[in-house]
Amino acid sequence: NAGVTQTPKFRVLKTGQSMTLLCAQDMNHEYMYWYRQDPGMGLRLIHYSVGEGTTAKGEVPDGYNVSRLKKQNFLLGLESAAPSQTSVYFCASSYRPGSYEQYFGPGTRLTVT
Amino acid sequence: AQSVTQLGSHVSVSEGALVLLRCNYSSSVPPYLFWYVQYPNQGLQLLLKYTTGATLVKGINGFEAEFKKSETSFHLTKPSAHMSDAAEYFCAVSARNQAGTALIFGKGTTLSVSS
Repeated sequence: NAGVTQTPKFRVLKTGQSMTLLCAQDMNHEYMYWYRQDPGMGLRLIHYSVGEGTTAKGEVPDGYNVSRLKKQNFLLGLESAAPSQTSVYFCASSYRPGSYEQYFGPGTRLTVT
Repeated sequence: AQSVTQLGSHVSVSEGALVLLRCNYSSSVPPYLFWYVQYPNQGLQLLLKYTTGATLVKGINGFEAEFKKSETSFHLTKPSAHMSDAAEYFCAVSARNQAGTALIFGKGTTLSVSS
């Protein structure tokens, strides 16, 4: 099992450009999450999904969109990148919320210039 | 609403010394509590978690944590630090019975281990 994978690992964007980050999991998990990690801020939830075809906003959703067309994939889109979106992005998945472990991908380091 | 406070953004210990990383939480409902570790340039990995039952929880790599409801704390300890323990550690809380909720993370504590 690959677990949770993220594509790409690194990306540099110019302000105003768009991109999509792909997260894939092979554990048949219902729940998937996108977090961003900034120095001294911990991880903050951007969007999450409780199942195929569903998405919901997290703590910091502005400037991002998501889609969950297939159970195993969760896409994070930036329509018009801003320097404030420079961050490391982590995808995670879990079987259920609450007490169940979240499994994290290796992260995508995004720089917006 | 829930929140997590990790006391000390950076902790330094000598190899073989006790490791103590502090975490206090706030939750209006009985919480689930987690400790995750992040090694450089990697994702997060679960160290241990508290759900119900025994309040002293043992995890991987010799770490353990004790849930103290009266103190709203979930401090992480390891009796003897090893160089390989150098990493960033995150405490997190999750709510019971709330569909779709994710983890609320603390801001993290970087552990340095010197020889």
